[in-house]
Order: sequence, then C-alpha cells, then structure tokens
Amino acid sequence: SQQGEEDPQALSIQEGENATMNCSYKTSINNLQWYRQNSGRGLVHLILIRSNEREKHSGRLRVTLDTSKKSSSLLITASRAADTASYFCATDLSGYSTLTFGKGTMLLVSP
Amino acid sequence: DVKVTQSSRYLVKRTGEKVFLECVQDMDHENMFWYRQDPGLGLRLIYFSYDVKMKEKGDIPEGYSVSREKKERFSLILESASTNQTSMYLCASSSEGLGNHEQYFGPGTRLTVT
Repeated sequence: SQQGEEDPQALSIQEGENATMNCSYKTSINNLQWYRQNSGRGLVHLILIRSNEREKHSGRLRVTLDTSKKSSSLLITASRAADTASYFCATDLSGYSTLTFGKGTMLLVSP
Repeated sequence: DVKVTQSSRYLVKRTGEKVFLECVQDMDHENMFWYRQDPGLGLRLIYFSYDVKMKEKGDIPEGYSVSREKKERFSLILESASTNQTSMYLCASSSEGLGNHEQYFGPGTRLTVT
C-alpha cells in the first residue's frame, strides 16, 4: 500500500497565489522528500527534510514536517505558470534510500 | 551536472516480445532503481540494486528481471511483454549508504505493448 498520500489530488490557482499541498504517511520515517514532475517527464528532486527537522526552505518552497501527526506540507509561494506540474512526496523509511512515493498532486497555475 | 539517461523515450512492442530498457548514470552512484508509473497508482518500485551484480525485488517484480553488470548501467528486462506492462518506466540513481540521499531520475520510457 502507499506510504504517502498527497492531498489534494488536484489544485488549480492563479499566478501569484500560494499553493499548499499536504502529504500524510503511516509509519516512522528517516526522511521525507518532495519531487516535481512536468508532464510526461522524469521526476526532479525539490527538497529533503529529515525526521528531526520541522521546517525547511528552498527559494519559494517551504516544507514542514510534523512527525507526531505523520504529515508534511509543501508550500509554493508566489506561484508561476512554470510551477504547473505534479508534485509527489516520498518517504525514506530506513535511510538506505529506498523511497515510497505517494500518488501526487496535480498543480495547475493559470496566468 | 547529474545525468541519468534512458535508452528510449517511446517504445512500442508486441505481446510476447522480450524487451530491454536501459538506464545509464554518470554520477558513480551505487544505488539504482526501476519504477513504473501508472495513472492513479503513482510510482511503484519494481527492482533496485545496491551494487554491481546485486539486485533486490521491489513492490511489483512479477514479470520483470534486471541486470547490473556495470556500476553505471541498470537494465530492466520484460521476458515476455504483456499488455498490462504498458506503462511509463522511470529509472533513478542515488548515493549509497545510511544517510539522506535524494534520487536522480531519468526522463522515462513510455512503453506500449500491443
């Protein structure tokens, strides 16, 4: 079964707005990662947050992790049309780099 | 710049054919992975490898095998392709060992089995 589940499945916003995606998982993790996939392409790593971290930033991205609730969120601020993609969370249970991916959130940013 | 390449972007094969999907990485990574991606199911791990000549089953290995004769190359083999193996196949690699390592993905191969 899927370890991570993203919510919502799809999100449609206007350029300049913020986009928030959530990920819930079931078991203890070593780290949680977020990836982006443009239509029909491979995945690109965005950010990794360790189990002992609560928040991490990278440019317009902000990721939070709440291990007590087994959940994470990805915030994209001031979104652009180029942010249109699918976003996946992935959990690393053991630290040996085998990841379990969720089904993804499709983000559409309209100009 | 990190590079993972896959031999084909699009592939059409007939039922029963033997299919080889090749993946090459230039980052000297020990770990390599094969996933398939289907609508509504996300990414599912087929096989992975921690070292040359070493392989481990993932979540859905049935109908597939793999080969890793050289560190930089990881091949996925469909011994007798079936229509339910029509999918997007993604290869990835990462550094070894206990730690926090992201995976680097290739562009994917969209395989259609008719």
